[in-house]
Amino acid sequence: GENVEQHPSTLSVQEGDSAVIKCTYSDSASNYFPWYKQELGKRPQLIIDIRSNVGEKKDQRIAVTLNKTAKHFSLHITETQPEDSAVYFCAPKPTGTASKLTFGTGTRLQVTL
Amino acid sequence: NAGVTQTPKFQVLKTGQSMTLQCAQDMNHNSMYWYRQDPGMGLRLIYYSASEGTTDKGEVPNGYNVSRLNKREFSLRLESAAPSQTSVYFCASSPGVAYNEQFFGPGTRLTVL
Repeated sequence: GENVEQHPSTLSVQEGDSAVIKCTYSDSASNYFPWYKQELGKRPQLIIDIRSNVGEKKDQRIAVTLNKTAKHFSLHITETQPEDSAVYFCAPKPTGTASKLTFGTGTRLQVTL
Repeated sequence: NAGVTQTPKFQVLKTGQSMTLQCAQDMNHNSMYWYRQDPGMGLRLIYYSASEGTTDKGEVPNGYNVSRLNKREFSLRLESAAPSQTSVYFCASSPGVAYNEQFFGPGTRLTVL
């Protein structure tokens, strides 16, 4: 099965700074790379995803970059705001299987004023 | 559109008791999933149903059973609850295989005494 690691496990930044979370995976067949955000006490929700034929995708203040050769992808958040405080999960998915995902253990981001 | 709904929201069981967690989606999705979330462990897949009429084990299936009642509903049963099953349980659905976002329910917080 897929072995997924996220770094760092916790991250504290000041409002307005940038945050970067890295996800490494083991299965070279993975071709779908989503990031989920989970606010305290809430359900996980997709915030951005990328497919293996694309190296980078941006949506306003968030972006995801993919390095398939090195088997890692990263979430970038610029101009962080207090509402970005949450736990972020990566969930790379290998192709040729059913639609299940293997989630990373999460990164807790704290944006301080 | 309610999305993915789960019942109950909270439940306390004694060791050895049984219960069924209910999940329903109104998005006409083919695939449905059950996860458990423990502190520091991320989301771990218990069982999934790639399409109506099929179910498969995930990463942590022991102690659980599932039923895909129809396309809308996917239930999770604990036959003899154990304290190790204390967790938050999330149901999710997705349109199907390949590059698909998973939509999560609000979760059920289960405590086994």
